[in-house]
Amino acid sequence: TQLLEQSPQFLSIQEGENLTVYCNSSSVFSSLQWYRQEPGEGPVLLVTVVTGGEVKKLKRLTFQFGDARKDSSLHITAAQPGDTGLYLCAGEGEYGNKLVFGAGTILRVKS
Amino acid sequence: NAGVTQTPKFQVLKTGQSMTLQCAQDMNHNSMYWYRQDPGMGLRLIYYSASEGTTDKGEVPNGYNVSRLNKREFSLRLESAAPSQTSVYFCASMRGYLGSPLHFGNGTRLTVT
Repeated sequence: TQLLEQSPQFLSIQEGENLTVYCNSSSVFSSLQWYRQEPGEGPVLLVTVVTGGEVKKLKRLTFQFGDARKDSSLHITAAQPGDTGLYLCAGEGEYGNKLVFGAGTILRVKS
Repeated sequence: NAGVTQTPKFQVLKTGQSMTLQCAQDMNHNSMYWYRQDPGMGLRLIYYSASEGTTDKGEVPNGYNVSRLNKREFSLRLESAAPSQTSVYFCASMRGYLGSPLHFGNGTRLTVT
């Protein structure tokens, strides 16, 4: 069974601060996806990274896939209250069709 | 475009009762999934259907059954509900190719007393 360890579990920061969320595994993934979830709704995809070492930017969010495709990070620059939510990483196995999720990081950005 | 639709949104059951959670997608996706979400445990896969006519167990299948009725619909049944099945249940679908994203419904909050 492929496992994804996500850290930290909870982050409470002030508006304008930077933060990084980590997602680690001993397994190799074909792709790594990051989702954001708001209360009462399902998760929504932020980004997919596929190539080892890949870096993708989405406005103030930077996503990186480790060279060995076993880990990933999400960095938010100058966090805003609108960034508040649950962030989930999800790894896809060799044959696709199935994603395993990390436990999630609850982010709270205070104004 | 509705995406993934789940019903009901909320349900309260007594221990031993049965119920079926319904899910339908209108995106012509091949694969459909049922996850449960519990605090601090992320999303755990219950069952999935890689394509119409096939179903497979996920990480936590015990106490559940599924039916892939057609390409659009994938239902989850609890035959004899237990308090441990209190959770938020999410249905999702994806095209099925490598790297394709999951599209989620808005969840069913189930309480078993």
